[in-house]
Amino acid sequence: AQSVDQPDAHVTLSEGASLELRCSYSYSAAPYLFWYVQYPGQSLQFLLKYITGDTVVKGTKGFEAEFRKSNSSFNLKKSPAHWSDSAKYFCALVSGGSNAKLTFGKGTKLSVKS
Amino acid sequence: EAAVTQSPRSKVAVTGGKVTLSCHQTNNHDYMYWYRQDTGHGLRLIHYSYVADSTEKGDIPDGYKASRPSQENFSLILELASLSQTAVYFCASSESGGESNTGQLYFGEGSKLTVL
Repeated sequence: AQSVDQPDAHVTLSEGASLELRCSYSYSAAPYLFWYVQYPGQSLQFLLKYITGDTVVKGTKGFEAEFRKSNSSFNLKKSPAHWSDSAKYFCALVSGGSNAKLTFGKGTKLSVKS
Repeated sequence: EAAVTQSPRSKVAVTGGKVTLSCHQTNNHDYMYWYRQDTGHGLRLIHYSYVADSTEKGDIPDGYKASRPSQENFSLILELASLSQTAVYFCASSESGGESNTGQLYFGEGSKLTVL
């Protein structure tokens, strides 16, 4: 069975710093990996995805993520961080190419202090 | 702009009562989903549907029913609401296939259900 782990429940940093949110996955085949963001009081929004090809993928709002097969990770990055990036971020994995098999991590709440 | 709307946005129900959460999408998407969000659990799939008049069980279907009377509408039904079903429920829709659509769901704004 597939799983997604986001080891940091909360991350706090200062505006202007670099942010990196960690995500690791467990899946026996080639994964499709995603990041979603949930701003306070809002729903989830798609941020970016990795299907195949370049291991660094760029998304909306200046975010990018790096897929590393060697350690089964898909970390989200942005530099510099802005106070408006404060939100909860979810890493997700699709197995078997089916959206019905989308597995979410528990999420990381990011607080960016101005 | 893709649009998924849920109603009600907030509801208080009594234990043992019936609750229906409704979802409407104008995306012309084939797939629709119901997730619940709990603190410490992320999102978990309850039911989904890929065509009208048909629903499928997700990862945590116990205590829930679903109904898809049309492509646009997808309901989640709690016949006998319980305290443990207090959560935020999200509806989502997606295209039916293709690598470009994989994993890209469009979510509604959520329905906060409190069971007392």
